[in-house]
Amino acid sequence: AQSVTQLGSHVSVSEGALVLLRCNYSSSVPPYLFWYVQYPNQGLQLLLKYTTGATLVKGINGFEAEFKKSETSFHLTKPSAHMSDAAEYFCAVKIGGYNKLIFGAGTRLAVHP
Amino acid sequence: SAVISQKPSRDICQRGTSLTIQCQVDSQVTMMFWYRQQPGQSLTLIATANQGSEATYESGFVIDKFPISRPNLTFSTLTVSNMSPEDSSIYLCSVGQGSTDTQYFGPGTRLTVL
Repeated sequence: AQSVTQLGSHVSVSEGALVLLRCNYSSSVPPYLFWYVQYPNQGLQLLLKYTTGATLVKGINGFEAEFKKSETSFHLTKPSAHMSDAAEYFCAVKIGGYNKLIFGAGTRLAVHP
Repeated sequence: SAVISQKPSRDICQRGTSLTIQCQVDSQVTMMFWYRQQPGQSLTLIATANQGSEATYESGFVIDKFPISRPNLTFSTLTVSNMSPEDSSIYLCSVGQGSTDTQYFGPGTRLTVL
């Protein structure tokens, strides 16, 4: 069965510091991988996705993620955190021809001055 | 990506009543999805709604409790029936687009049941 694990329910960084949010997945077939962000009282916004091709994908707001098949990981990074990055981040996996998204538990990112 | 709107954006309801949530998309889409996000939790898929067919419900969700309509390619409704406080959640619709059916989400409906 497919699953997604996000390590760390809460991550706190200083403004300007590196952001690293971890996501590991379990899948027997090559997955499609997604990161979504949810700002307070809002819906989910797609940050970036990996389907095929280049394993390093760039998204909006300066975020990027690298698909590492050997590590079954899809960690999200941003070189320099901004106060506006404070939000909940969800990693999700979709398997090929199936349309169901499996979400991780989410990581709440706090950015302090 | 599609522009998705939901009505109402929030509501406070009494237990035992029902609420119908609307999801409107600005372009025609085949696949629409309804999710529930309980307080402080991640998203759980309730059902997939394709136009012209019955909705497909996930384990733990039943049509009597969460009836869904999909009358055309731009609109769907989810009804939360006979509500209890445990139904207090954010309900989100999403649509699949593109060759990979990437899902894009609406702003959500925040429901509180007293």
